[in-house]
Amino acid sequence: DTAVSQTPKYLVTQMGNDKSIKCEQNLGHDTMYWYKQDSKKFLKIMFSYNNKELIINETVPNRFSPKSPDKAHLNLHINSLELGDSAVYFCASSQIYNEQFFGPGTRLTVL
Amino acid sequence: AQSVTQLGSHVSVSEGALVLLRCNYSSSVPPYLFWYVQYPNQGLQLLLKYTTGATLVKGINGFEAEFKKSETSFHLTKPSAHMSDAAEYFCAVIHGSGNTGKLIFGQGTTLQVKP
Repeated sequence: DTAVSQTPKYLVTQMGNDKSIKCEQNLGHDTMYWYKQDSKKFLKIMFSYNNKELIINETVPNRFSPKSPDKAHLNLHINSLELGDSAVYFCASSQIYNEQFFGPGTRLTVL
Repeated sequence: AQSVTQLGSHVSVSEGALVLLRCNYSSSVPPYLFWYVQYPNQGLQLLLKYTTGATLVKGINGFEAEFKKSETSFHLTKPSAHMSDAAEYFCAVIHGSGNTGKLIFGQGTTLQVKP
C-alpha cells in the first residue's frame, strides 16, 4: 500500500553517464514534484507537474528532464551527470495546497 | 516572495524535556504552513499543517504548533521529548497561487535527544 514510491533507492554512477529515476503515486493526486536535497539537507523544488502538464520549472540545468506519462508517474532523466548532481532526490505528490506526500528518496552518487 | 527561517540548525534536549523548534516565515498572503520530519535515510513525513481556522494545530506523535500572525511564527513544540523524536525537522510554507503550490522549506533543524 505504498503511497509514493521511487526507484532505485540508491544510484551510483560515473560522471558523464545518463540515468533515470522513476516515481509512482497511488494516491490519485493531480500534482507531482521533484525535490533535490543537498549534502547540507537543504530541500529545493526542481519541477512540478499537474495532470501531466509542467507547471513549475525552477532554475535547473537542462540536463535534467522530467517526464510525466500519466498523472500517477513522474520520472526524472539526467544527462551527462556531474559531480555536483550527487544528492538525494525526492518525489512528492499532492492535491494543490494540500500536504505533499514524499517518496523514500533516491540517493544519487556521481563518481 | 515567501521564505522560511528556522532558528537553530541543531537543538539538543534531554529525554522528557520540552522540545521547541523555531520557525519564522515571510509571506505577502495568508500562509499555508507545514512541519515535516525526516528520520535518517527516509523521506519526509508530515507532522502537522496550518491552513485556516484554529491557530493552535495538533499533529502526530504529540507535536503541536501555533500560528502567530503578529510574530510571523509557527514554532513547533512537544511537552516531553522521546528518544524516537531524534530526527531532522523542516518548516515549510506554500508559495504561489493558482496551481503553482510549491513548498519553500527552511534550512532544517536537527533534534538530538539525550538519555
